[in-house]
Amino acid sequence: DSGVTQTPKHLITATGQRVTLRCSPRSGDLSVYWYQQSLDQGLQFLIQYYNGEERAKGNILERFSAQQFPDLHSELNLSSLELGDSALYFCASSVDPDGQPQHFGDGTRLSIL
Amino acid sequence: QQPVQSPQAVILREGEDAVINCSSSKALYSVHWYRQKHGEAPVFLMILLKGGEQKGHDKISASFNEKKQQSSLYLTASQLSYSGTYFCGTEPIQGAQKLVFGQGTRLTINP
Repeated sequence: DSGVTQTPKHLITATGQRVTLRCSPRSGDLSVYWYQQSLDQGLQFLIQYYNGEERAKGNILERFSAQQFPDLHSELNLSSLELGDSALYFCASSVDPDGQPQHFGDGTRLSIL
Repeated sequence: QQPVQSPQAVILREGEDAVINCSSSKALYSVHWYRQKHGEAPVFLMILLKGGEQKGHDKISASFNEKKQQSSLYLTASQLSYSGTYFCGTEPIQGAQKLVFGQGTRLTINP
């Protein structure tokens, strides 16, 4: 158990819809990362927050957005969903963003029908 | 820039050794190693920060070359539990604030 909690575990929805994925980091961790893992793209970094502020952006689509709240939990919002958005979405957390191990949650599997 | 991992896949018998490589075209700030079992989250193994560094625990160790462009993960006397996909994640420079992962190396350990 990494201490990182992601909900829900599975999401099944249709194209064009919007979903919200939630992540609670390990106790004491200030940095939260979001990753997308698909069969053809591997593990892709999406975005990082540190203590409520956006710190780094990766290959995140404009249809996707995220935020980190004062209690440090984070949400990833995916809108106008397309079939290609089907993937496993992981959240990870670390104490701080520099050279620190990241601890991953169990992921949310998103299936777009 | 995505690091290159090799080999893409390895099949071993229990007790054999394996080496997984991770290469970058530019010097790195750090290299992270993770193992992911099918359907599970990646699990942190270790992080290397210094050129020439070697570290490990149990029978899994890793090195980071002096130029900080290549890292290798060593699994000795492999156990069935070592099966999974191994990823290296690289930080290009200090403060880059994100990891770029290689495509992974699938390791299968057979009895």
